[in-house]
Amino acid sequence: GQQLNQSPQSMFIQEGEDVSMNCTSSSIFNTWLWYKQDPGEGPVLLIALYKAGELTSNGRLTAQFGITRKDSFLNISASIPSDVGIYFCAGQLTGNQFYFGTGTSLTVIP
Amino acid sequence: NAGVTQTPKFQVLKTGQSMTLQCAQDMNHNSMYWYRQDPGMGLRLIYYSASEGTTDKGEVPNGYNVSRLNKREFSLRLESAAPSQTSVYFCASISKEVGGYTFGSGTRLTVV
Repeated sequence: GQQLNQSPQSMFIQEGEDVSMNCTSSSIFNTWLWYKQDPGEGPVLLIALYKAGELTSNGRLTAQFGITRKDSFLNISASIPSDVGIYFCAGQLTGNQFYFGTGTSLTVIP
Repeated sequence: NAGVTQTPKFQVLKTGQSMTLQCAQDMNHNSMYWYRQDPGMGLRLIYYSASEGTTDKGEVPNGYNVSRLNKREFSLRLESAAPSQTSVYFCASISKEVGGYTFGSGTRLTVV
């Protein structure tokens, strides 16, 4: 299957700090998605990106579709305790099939 | 509430037993998916159904079968469970409106 390299694997930050994570691939994707998963729950869609260079915000979250179409970035500003969870990127090649990164585990220390 | 419903939430099986994981969505989506999630490996696609009456293999289909019973329901069957199938299983459907998958809350399966 497709390999999506997501980094960092885990982050421990102080409440109020900004967070950055990214996802890279050797393949060119048509769509990038970012999901958050809380413990014991399924992933929930945060942001969807459809065009190279696109920058989209959802509250304190901002994500970008890389110009090369092989990467994407997610930033979280002014982190709060409820931001804790695992963040996944997902990329779409064709059709309705997406490939997922291995996740970034975020811990926010109050 | 609209969404994807999975049953059961937890299951323990003995090696060699069979079981079916159920999934239903009430959002009138055409496409439905089964993923498994393992530590450090993200989500991997087992099978998907692009529309009622069709199913296709994903990345890790071995040891599984699926049935798209109707537009709402997509079940995953383990005919002879193996310890390697211990995982968390997620069902999802997709809509153009949402722009991506909507996931169920998962089935945590342990095979001993």
